[in-house]
Amino acid sequence: SQTIHQWPATLVQPVGSPLSLECTVEGTSNPNLYWYRQAAGRGLQLLFYSVGIGQISSEVPQNLSASRPQDRQFILSSKKLLLSDSGFYLCAWSVLGYNSPLHFGNGTRLTVT
Amino acid sequence: AQKVTQAQTEISVVEKEDVTLDCVYETRDTTYYLFWYKQPPSGELVFLIRRNSFDEQNEISGRYSWNFQKSTSSFNFTITASQVVDSAVYFCALRSGNTGNQFYFGTGTSLTVIP
Repeated sequence: SQTIHQWPATLVQPVGSPLSLECTVEGTSNPNLYWYRQAAGRGLQLLFYSVGIGQISSEVPQNLSASRPQDRQFILSSKKLLLSDSGFYLCAWSVLGYNSPLHFGNGTRLTVT
Repeated sequence: AQKVTQAQTEISVVEKEDVTLDCVYETRDTTYYLFWYKQPPSGELVFLIRRNSFDEQNEISGRYSWNFQKSTSSFNFTITASQVVDSAVYFCALRSGNTGNQFYFGTGTSLTVIP
């Protein structure tokens, strides 16, 4: 069966520090991968999605970047965090096939101080 | 353009009451897919159900039921005899059958079931 791992679960970082969040999927090949952000009490904002290695689509201009160095690995990064980067970050995957749902990781709660 | 509207921001019900969460979508695609997710206080989004645009048959799963009506572009979710464990934020989402890489989420409905 397929599983998704996302870490760390919580993170407190000072303003100006770098960020690296990692997500890996097991049990499937060539998944579509996604990064979402959820501000406190708000909806889901799509940040990036990837349909293959090295293929990244960015949905909003921001202080963040994403990379997909391996088929089932998706990394969210920042060189210098801003206070506004605080939020709940969710990685998700789906298989090819438009009827496939998104499957989410447990999320990372990031607080920038 | 694809859009999902969940007009109910917050709902509170007393335990054992029935509650319906509304979802209205917009799309020009003839083929599309609709989803419901539950986000409990722990934060993880849990997939509940998928419905294809060409299948308007309603579905029941235990205390949960879904009413899909293409004529009104709605995909409503009803919880019968609500329980405290149903307290969560519920999201409706749309995925295009033509350019299906993106999922379009509503803003969510926060449901509180009061014991």
